[in-house]
Amino acid sequence: DGGITQSPKYLFRKEGQNVTLSCEQNLNHDAMYWYRQDPGQGLRLIYYSQIVNDFQKGDIAEGYSVSREKKESFPLTVTSAQKNPTAFYLCASRTGVRGNQPQHFGDGTRLSIL
Amino acid sequence: RKEVEQDPGPFNVPEGATVAFNCTYSNSASQSFFWYRQDCRKEPKLLMSVYSSGNEDGRFTAQLNRASQYISLLIRDSKLSDSATYLCVVNSNTGNQFYFGTGTSLTVIP
Repeated sequence: DGGITQSPKYLFRKEGQNVTLSCEQNLNHDAMYWYRQDPGQGLRLIYYSQIVNDFQKGDIAEGYSVSREKKESFPLTVTSAQKNPTAFYLCASRTGVRGNQPQHFGDGTRLSIL
Repeated sequence: RKEVEQDPGPFNVPEGATVAFNCTYSNSASQSFFWYRQDCRKEPKLLMSVYSSGNEDGRFTAQLNRASQYISLLIRDSKLSDSATYLCVVNSNTGNQFYFGTGTSLTVIP
């Protein structure tokens, strides 16, 4: 089936540890996005990528890093510099990089601090 | 000022009722508008795009008012399964970023 796969579903981070969240899509979408959702808040953009080997910071990029070495993959690393990482992380993709195509989401990763 | 603002609710309505949500946006250059539905602890799912002339999908009707910079979602004949949070989404004027409202919570009561 075509879709967006995020893994793991649940992740626990120790103090000082970097962790990487996986996002893979087989929809041949050009653009991919990472968002963070905190309780009672809207989605906030961390990073996005419109093409392989290129990505842009969103509104809350500090403490995070990404790579886009393949069209289908856009992993997010939560570094130890991110002091409040507990949140629901959502990966999205869409065809095209402009225009009115909507985003489609993976089913998310919940990250918590140990 | 937030890019997108929604009334958080909650809206509690009986089955069969009609309910409407509004959402305002700040960037007059925005071109694309969407409504998503998010169930508790799940990912957002696209409900419908919003077109300039307004559009309907079954019991759902979306409207865009560019002059007043708001979009609306009307749900007719509410079902129990409509209970969810509804997110308003607007794209940036460059077209490559999206801004999400905080969502409006709907509970349909038997």
